Amino acid sequence: AQSVTQPDIHITVSEGASLELRCNYSYGATPYLFWYVQSPGQGLQLLLKYFSGDTLVQGIKGFEAEFKRSQSSFNLRKPSVHWSDAAEYFCAVAPTGANNLFFGTGTRLTVIP
Amino acid sequence: EPEVTQTPSHQVTQMGQEVILRCVPISNHLYFYWYRQILGQKVEFLVSFYNNEISEKSEIFDDQFSVERPDGSNFTLKIRSTKLEDSAMYFCASSDTSPLHFGNGTRLTVT
Repeated sequence: AQSVTQPDIHITVSEGASLELRCNYSYGATPYLFWYVQSPGQGLQLLLKYFSGDTLVQGIKGFEAEFKRSQSSFNLRKPSVHWSDAAEYFCAVAPTGANNLFFGTGTRLTVIP
Repeated sequence: EPEVTQTPSHQVTQMGQEVILRCVPISNHLYFYWYRQILGQKVEFLVSFYNNEISEKSEIFDDQFSVERPDGSNFTLKIRSTKLEDSAMYFCASSDTSPLHFGNGTRLTVT
């Protein structure tokens, strides 16, 4: 069955620490891959996307993600977290040729001083 | 930067009533979508719309739901007879190719 898995429901990190949020997908072919962020009461903002090519993609706000085909993963990273990064993070996939997105269940990030 | 705008930001309605959620997609986009996020759950695809017709819909999008593009700028989601379980955040999105651009959502509360 097709699925997007974010195994961590909630992560707490200290400000300035590094961050990695996990995402695994299960689709027949390599889909398009995305990370979105949702601040409380806000909509979904695109952080970065992967379609093809270089497997390490850079996004906004200092985030990056690495596509690993062998692991069917697209983990999001940031070397030094800021308090303003506290939010809900969603991994999403668009099956190749499809226009709609399928989301993971999200990871809530808490940043402590 | 162009934005997808949704109105209202919060709507409260009684069970059994009809509601219309409104969206203004980004002007040069051709694909339109509605997604739903029940509190504490993941964002779920409802429907996609292209060339004035539904291109894909999920199992959630049953007969009580309908979408319309009544003019050149608006894209609406109608829920005919709301149920308690329709309480959720509803997100509109639009795209030209990819990725999707989302609005800030309408929080629907059914009492």
